[in-house]
Amino acid sequence: DTGVSQNPRHKITKRGQNVTFRCDPISEHNRLYWYRQTLGQGPEFLTYFQNEAQLEKSRLLSDRFSAERPKGSFSTLEIQRTEQGDSAMYLCASSFTTGGYGYTFGSGTRLTVV
Amino acid sequence: GESVGLHLPTLSVQEGDNSIINCAYSNSASDYFIWYKQESGKGPQFIIDIRSNMDKRQGQRVTVLLNKTVKHLSLQIAATQPGDSAVYFCAEIISGSARQLTFGSGTQLTVLP
Repeated sequence: DTGVSQNPRHKITKRGQNVTFRCDPISEHNRLYWYRQTLGQGPEFLTYFQNEAQLEKSRLLSDRFSAERPKGSFSTLEIQRTEQGDSAMYLCASSFTTGGYGYTFGSGTRLTVV
Repeated sequence: GESVGLHLPTLSVQEGDNSIINCAYSNSASDYFIWYKQESGKGPQFIIDIRSNMDKRQGQRVTVLLNKTVKHLSLQIAATQPGDSAVYFCAEIISGSARQLTFGSGTQLTVLP
């Protein structure tokens, strides 16, 4: 296992279009997190899954955002009707539920809405 | 507002010198802290962590100090190398939460030759 994988690495889309990102976590990790990071800022929590269950969502996650983890493995994050303010780096991380709290982050998907 | 903040947005050090990056937090319920390094175009990379029942932890060339009295933690990097140039974030996890991380805004460390 080579770590957390995110695709695509970069996405440029026109305002109003829908986009979907994929995250493949470390296979042994049962927790999966999505974060958003804007330039010069630290990542901000969006949502997390334990196995296939989405257990918490941030207020940042508007109705246009939806995340799934259908089989408790990979996850997708979809943004509908994109806005320029959605331009950011979207980061995925995974971890064990118990024991060490250490997260492993992916390299992120850079979204640019034009 | 942010629970975790950093004192300085940028820090420049000479190669071979020691670096100290500071971080303040405000939530007394935080029970776990992590330092991350982020290079341009990459995700945050784990450096070192510390639980709230500890005041010091050492790794390879790095030391984290936690002062719960003043809600302050620091990252010390010994013999700073050019490869240490990056943005450094401290992050906290609040006890009983979904274990999500709350990040500060980061310090840009630049190592001068």
